[in-house]
Amino acid sequence: DAKTTQPPSMDCAEGRAANLPCNHSTISGNEYVYWYRQIHSQGPQYIIHGLKNNETNEMASLIITEDRKSSTLILPHATLRDTAVYYCIVRAIASARQLTFGSGTQLTVLP
Amino acid sequence: KAGVTQTPRYLIKTRGQQVTLSCSPISGHRSVSWYQQTPGQGLQFLFEYFSETQRNKGNFPGRFSGRQFSNSRSEMNVSTLELGDSALYLCASSLQGVPDTQYFGPGTRLTVL
Repeated sequence: DAKTTQPPSMDCAEGRAANLPCNHSTISGNEYVYWYRQIHSQGPQYIIHGLKNNETNEMASLIITEDRKSSTLILPHATLRDTAVYYCIVRAIASARQLTFGSGTQLTVLP
Repeated sequence: KAGVTQTPRYLIKTRGQQVTLSCSPISGHRSVSWYQQTPGQGLQFLFEYFSETQRNKGNFPGRFSGRQFSNSRSEMNVSTLELGDSALYLCASSLQGVPDTQYFGPGTRLTVL
């Protein structure tokens, strides 16, 4: 699975959009971009995934650049409960089941 | 649909004891994976079960074992506990779709004294 790079930390004001970037410049054509988040000491929560088109669900939007070398997770109206570590992962369709998380981005939503 | 459940949520054991953790996957999910998460090592894969068979195994000693039942529920066992086994143990289930998305449970926090 390709390597990803994320900023270690970001702040966002409550009610504003949180835009979390991820660089995956070595991504290959059969690899998906996944986002998970983990609130302190809880199990990781799946957020969204995409291959090349932008995706949206009830939690977030995922914007993938045309060359697929980077992506942005957007939380449209951040709340205090969105404070967590966000992990961007790249996984091949036929990847073995095990996940590996990098160090992620600590998002702090400020009141 | 109910999510992945894990029991117990918290455990305190002493060195040398053994422990069994339980995981119930999302209904219909037949793949269950176990992970250990610590501040120093991050998320580490233990093993994966599918249809009662261990399909993949991480690099952990034989003290760590698991099994899966016919209803897809899974247990993991750690024998002869060591202080370094203190961690958050996570279970994740998946539907075997394409791509295959794993959904995590809340974890079991194990403290070894």
